[in-house]
Amino acid sequence: GAGVSQSPSNKVTEKGKDVELRCDPISGHTALYWYRQSLGQGLEFLIYFQGNSAPDKSGLPSDRFSAERTGGSVSTLTIQRTQQEDSAVYLCASSLVGRFATNEKLFFGSGTQLSVL
Amino acid sequence: DAKTTQPPSMDCAEGRAANLPCNHSTISGNEYVYWYRQIHSQGPQYIIHGLKNNETNEMASLIITEDRKSSTLILPHATLRDTAVYYCIVRDLNDYKLSFGAGTTVTVRA
Repeated sequence: GAGVSQSPSNKVTEKGKDVELRCDPISGHTALYWYRQSLGQGLEFLIYFQGNSAPDKSGLPSDRFSAERTGGSVSTLTIQRTQQEDSAVYLCASSLVGRFATNEKLFFGSGTQLSVL
Repeated sequence: DAKTTQPPSMDCAEGRAANLPCNHSTISGNEYVYWYRQIHSQGPQYIIHGLKNNETNEMASLIITEDRKSSTLILPHATLRDTAVYYCIVRDLNDYKLSFGAGTTVTVRA
């Protein structure tokens, strides 16, 4: 596709349920990022994938959060036993290269608005 | 630990140039200045970046002071569609994370 695609665009769930958020990066982009944006706040880094390297999970807020990237393309962010404080917009971004690139540009999707009731 | 300081908000008249300041007084030699913007209900969008020279593209111009401690993003002819939050970010080439601060909320008025 032409840009980063995220699905669903909106997700309403009940506290305690598990949710899966999907990200389709731009074809050929080796780096993939997940960020979280709570209402009225800036972006919070969650996790970074680069090619076949081990992902940087340092931003994941708890062990209820996990992410995987299959075949170096599609990524899924999973939140287990959701809590109300998990409510936020989850943004995915991809880039051509990743670190050490002087012309690195991140392309973001429109995000998934997660509401935990 | 914020690396950049931006005014929280500013207004601009449609058709006029918008000049967005950013202070990054602790920037180091291998850190680039990046600008992104986020229009309501969308993901951030890349605008421009630079190291020490001024840069221009189809969206904006970036002016970096000689000591690199501050920069200005210039939108030459602001339109209503330029209303957004603008983020000034300092990025080390050895890092891949972009740290987004609070940004400047720019409102373009007719």
